[in-house]
Amino acid sequence: AQSVTQPDIHITVSEGASLELRCNYSYGATPYLFWYVQSPGQGLQLLLKYFSGDTLVQGIKGFEAEFKRSQSSFNLRKPSVHWSDAAEYFCAVGGIQGAQKLVFGQGTRLTINP
Amino acid sequence: ETGVTQTPRHLVMGMTNKKSLKCEQHLGHNAMYWYKQSAKKPLELMFVYSLEERVENNSVPSRFSPECPNSSHLFLHLHTLQPEDSALYLCASSQGASGTEAFFGQGTRLTVV
Repeated sequence: AQSVTQPDIHITVSEGASLELRCNYSYGATPYLFWYVQSPGQGLQLLLKYFSGDTLVQGIKGFEAEFKRSQSSFNLRKPSVHWSDAAEYFCAVGGIQGAQKLVFGQGTRLTINP
Repeated sequence: ETGVTQTPRHLVMGMTNKKSLKCEQHLGHNAMYWYKQSAKKPLELMFVYSLEERVENNSVPSRFSPECPNSSHLFLHLHTLQPEDSALYLCASSQGASGTEAFFGQGTRLTVV
């Protein structure tokens, strides 16, 4: 069965510092991988996705993620965070059945110190 | 502006009430979903509708009853809920083809008293 693990429940970084949020997945075939962001009281917004090809994918708001098949990881990065990046971040894995079989991680809450 | 709209945004209901959550998508998608988001738990997929037919029901109690009258609208009818049903209920839609992502609404914050 597919699963997603986000090892860090809560991360705090200073504004302007770099960020890396970890995501590990378990999936029996070629995974489709996603990162979503959720601001307080809001729905989920797609940051970026990986289906195939270049393992480094660029997303919105200056985020990027790298797919590493050997490590079953899809970590999210940003070189310099802004206070507006404070939110909850969710990693998700799916497959050829598409969005109907998405599995989400538990989320990582990001706090930004001024 | 989101392509998936949920109403109401907030709902407080008693355990004996009957209420409905509404979701409308303006993206031309053919699949719609209900998710439940509780504190400290991963998102739980409740129901999936594809081409207006229910294709998945993840062991959801019968006090939750979905309805999909057409590909643009999805309802979640609620009756005799329990306090532990208090959560954020998220609607999503997708084109349903392989590899596509889900687009989410802003959610309905439900409190059962």
